[in-house]
This record gives sequence, C-alpha cells and structure tokens, in this order.
Amino acid sequence: NAGVMQNPRHLVRRRGQEARLRCSPMKGHSHVYWYRQLPEEGLKFMVYLQKENIIDESGMPKERFSAEFPKEGPSILRIQQVVRGDSAAYFCASSPGGFSGNTIYFGEGSWLTVV
Amino acid sequence: GESVGLHLPTLSVQEGDNSIINCAYSNSASDYFIWYKQESGKGPQFIIDIRSNMDKRQGQRVTVLLNKTVKHLSLQIAATQPGDSAVYFCAERLYSGGGADGLTFGKGTHLIIQP
Repeated sequence: NAGVMQNPRHLVRRRGQEARLRCSPMKGHSHVYWYRQLPEEGLKFMVYLQKENIIDESGMPKERFSAEFPKEGPSILRIQQVVRGDSAAYFCASSPGGFSGNTIYFGEGSWLTVV
Repeated sequence: GESVGLHLPTLSVQEGDNSIINCAYSNSASDYFIWYKQESGKGPQFIIDIRSNMDKRQGQRVTVLLNKTVKHLSLQIAATQPGDSAVYFCAERLYSGGGADGLTFGKGTHLIIQP
C-alpha cells in the first residue's frame, strides 16, 4: 500500500536550468497539493490540482513555476530558470477528496539545491 | 512539560513526562485542523485531526484540544518517548466550496526529549 511517492528525492541544478519534480498520489486519491518548505520554516501552500485541472494556484510564484496533473501519469511541478532562492524542500500531498475533513497525506519530499 | 505562550520554537521535556504543544490559528472560518509530525529529512506525518464541531479528540497517546473562542489548538502527548522528538506543525483548512483547499501551516515547534 504505497503512500505518496515523490521523485527525485534530491536534485541539484545550476542556476538557469530547469527542475522537474514528480508526484504520484496515494492509490485512490485524485487531489494533489504541492507545498514548499524553506529551511527552519513551515510549509507554504503552492498549488492544488485535480486530474487535468488546476483548482487553486494562489501560492505559486507568477513566473517560472508551473504545475500539472495529467489524466495519466504523475503530477509534475516544473521550475524554469532556477535561481538560488528556489532551493528548498518541495512536498507533494494527496487526498481522496477536496472538501474539509479529508486528511491530506504527504510524500517524503524532493530536496532541490540550486548551485 | 508544558509550552508557554501560543508559539514556542523549541520545547524540551523529560522522557516519560507529558508534552503540550500550542498553536494559534489564523482564520475563524477554518473548520478542520490537523497536527503533523516532521522528523529531519522527512515529510510531515499525520498525527491527529479534529473538526470545528468538536472540542477534543483522543488518539493513541495524543489528544488534540480546540478552543474556537480564542482560535487556539493544542496537542498533548502522554508519556513522551525519544521517538517523539520532531518538529510539530498545526495546520488549518478552510472549506470554500470547491475553491482554495490547501492547508495553512503554523510555524512549528521543535520537541526535544531529554533522557
């Protein structure tokens, strides 16, 4: 019974390169959330997706960041032209439904380091 | 041991004592709350949740108390063990009828267990 699966666990990118982070939700979950965590800080909401739909991207930076959750395959968080400030842990979470009362389960995270 | 004030970055308790971690949430309309435990290098792990129509909920060795009047949430851990060492986050969730559904996290409290 696999949980939320994220890969890669660790990713190093040079400034200006692209980073792609993948997330496969728990079996039976159709709602995916991405969060970012800076060192010594809490998690900040970025985006909430259902299959083929972005429901809420109010936490996403306006430029360079995008997310998708296609009909088939994992959810992807894409960061173009990375900068040092993008270095953080990116956590994906999933839930079976999107309304209050559905527990959100997190993956183990993807640690992005920009050099 | 008992935390003082609404937010304490670090709480140190003796092994075997009870721990109380406090959290102030921001939105009086939030109707669902979760406590997560995060160990170093790992993703947040669900501990216990509570809906806004409840004041108290008990799990195994953990109890969550909700005071909506002052927007305060607490996590009580009985007979604290070394494995309880982690950062604990409270999170609130606002159901907005299909719109923004991400969790808003508090800053976190680092629980340290003294032998």
